[in-house]
Amino acid sequence: QITLKESGPTVVKPTQTLTLTCTFSGFSLSTSGLGVGWIRQPPGKVLEWLALIYWDDDKRYSPSLKNRLTLTKDTSKNQVVLTMTNMDPVDTATYFCARTDTELWRVFDYWGQGTLVTVSS
Amino acid sequence: DIQMTQSPSSVSASVGDRVTITCRASQDISSSLGWYQQKPGKAPNLLIYLASSVQSGVPSRFSGSGSGTDFTLTISSLQPEDSATYYCQQANSFPLTFGGGTKVEIK
Repeated sequence: QITLKESGPTVVKPTQTLTLTCTFSGFSLSTSGLGVGWIRQPPGKVLEWLALIYWDDDKRYSPSLKNRLTLTKDTSKNQVVLTMTNMDPVDTATYFCARTDTELWRVFDYWGQGTLVTVSS
Repeated sequence: DIQMTQSPSSVSASVGDRVTITCRASQDISSSLGWYQQKPGKAPNLLIYLASSVQSGVPSRFSGSGSGTDFTLTISSLQPEDSATYYCQQANSFPLTFGGGTKVEIK
């Protein structure tokens, strides 16, 4: 059974750095072809892709946020960590992590439940 | 970036109706497209990948078609549990981008 779960702060202040952890089970990110991505959704708005890390440590970032995002993985802990610097109220959103497989060609087959992050002073 | 335009933005239909949602890409994306269903307060659920491949466990009333720039998601016989918002996502190139969503309501 494949599961993913996001964890991190629910509230951050403007200019602070957000650190979110995706902890997963049922697969290993050392398996060829697999990747874990992050997608966010502001309240009542549409989905926005943020970043993706593959089994071989290839990393891709949204160009509009690239200067603020960092992805790392810890294969032994089955975790992927996303950091986002200089948080702003417009970054208030539910943040999802999700799995992809090269057979699916960059769409996401398993998702975490999401975690709502509010940026407020 | 590749822009994904969905239409209509919302649709209201009766149980048993055939519902069609369209997604148009701003440039050729071959068959690199997925469709998701999202219910309020939940994560998206993958329905279709590679434009027409149905994800395991998805009811057979859901189907996808298209290639290039024009794609369609069809619900052949709408069920009450299909009330949700549907999103397309292009997977041809980074950055990955999503459509604006189509809200399906049951009359």
